[in-house]
Amino acid sequence: GAGVSQSPSNKVTEKGKDVELRCDPISGHTALYWYRQSLGQGLEFLIYFQGNSAPDKSGLPSDRFSAERTGGSVSTLTIQRTQQEDSAVYLCASSSYSNQPQHFGDGTRLSIL
Amino acid sequence: GQSLEQPSEVTAVEGAIVQINCTYQTSGFYGLSWYQQHDGGAPTFLSYNALDGLEETGRFSSFLSRSDSYGYLLLQELQMKDSASYFCAVSGGSYIPTFGRGTSLIVHP
Repeated sequence: GAGVSQSPSNKVTEKGKDVELRCDPISGHTALYWYRQSLGQGLEFLIYFQGNSAPDKSGLPSDRFSAERTGGSVSTLTIQRTQQEDSAVYLCASSSYSNQPQHFGDGTRLSIL
Repeated sequence: GQSLEQPSEVTAVEGAIVQINCTYQTSGFYGLSWYQQHDGGAPTFLSYNALDGLEETGRFSSFLSRSDSYGYLLLQELQMKDSASYFCAVSGGSYIPTFGRGTSLIVHP
């Protein structure tokens, strides 16, 4: 596709359930980032992938959060045992290489009941 | 580490020119980017400066002074649709860009 694609666009789930969020970056982009944005707030960095290198997980808020990137392309962010404070918009971005401008997907709006 | 400062809010009238400033601190520097985000939408890339000077893209221009660790986004001929949040982001030695808290631009008729 022409841009970064994220799915689902909206997810409502009950507290304690696991959720999986998917990101399909722009073809050929080697860098992929996950961010979280709460209402009216800035972007909170979660995790960064560059090619086949080990990801930088320094932004993950707890061990309930994990992410993988298969074949250097599609990425999945998994949140286990969701809590109400996990409610936010989860944004994925890709760039041609590290430190280059990022292109964002439309995000997944996650609501935990 | 990396940090950025930008104003929280700027207001202007339709047709005017507005400048949104961004100062940064970083160890290592690759570039300064600007993003626009409308309410409920995703950030959209606007402009990128790796070298000193002015980059122009239609009604939007971005300026960088590496010696002053300073940049700005200039919006000309403001339109109502320009009301949005604008984020600057600095890319430094950590490979993880740091985003500012965003500037809310309110355009009045």
